[in-house]
Amino acid sequence: EPEVTQTPSHQVTQMGQEVILRCVPISNHLYFYWYRQILGQKVEFLVSFYNNEISEKSEIFDDQFSVERPDGSNFTLKIRSTKLEDSAMYFCASSDGKSVYSNQPQHFGDGTRLSIL
Amino acid sequence: ELKVEQNPLFLSMQEGKNYTIYCNYSTTSDRLYWYRQDPGKSLESLFVLLSNGAVKQEGRLMASLDTKARLSTLHITAAVHDLSATYFCAGDTGTASKLTFGTGTRLQVTL
Repeated sequence: EPEVTQTPSHQVTQMGQEVILRCVPISNHLYFYWYRQILGQKVEFLVSFYNNEISEKSEIFDDQFSVERPDGSNFTLKIRSTKLEDSAMYFCASSDGKSVYSNQPQHFGDGTRLSIL
Repeated sequence: ELKVEQNPLFLSMQEGKNYTIYCNYSTTSDRLYWYRQDPGKSLESLFVLLSNGAVKQEGRLMASLDTKARLSTLHITAAVHDLSATYFCAGDTGTASKLTFGTGTRLQVTL
């Protein structure tokens, strides 16, 4: 079964450094998402991306964050200058974007655990 | 803006018992989802509920949706240890829109 893949599985970075989290969505999917989950808390939406542009973003997704689809397969999340509070699990997801009558869910990757020191 | 609430937050139950997790949402949601998450792992889709009165079952889990009450339930029948995990409900408000998650219910099934 096709799956969303994320790399790395764990990233440790010094505060103030830039990080790039990578995702390969399911190949025929058109909509891509990033979510984050701080340890022990619920999953929070960051950004959605369609047709090479951001379709929606949350308040969390400030100027320090950016997303890109640099080629036909990868989807990346960049954090320019990391803060301690950016420590979380970051999940990439993709969907086929069919109508609201579709029973297909968003498919999630295994996540990248980001630890800021 | 859609808000999703779950209860209970934590549920400890014995093997063989039945229980229900509740998910309330604040405004019209086009679809309601249930996901399972094992510790340190990803989110596994369990059910997608599309319409009022929808009921879906997979093994010992059954999910239902009442759009008039803005309530979805996840019923666990004769729980087994393997069902121990955190269960999230989530809603969306349009084609390919973001998911808004509930707080999650951490289920612990004891022998």
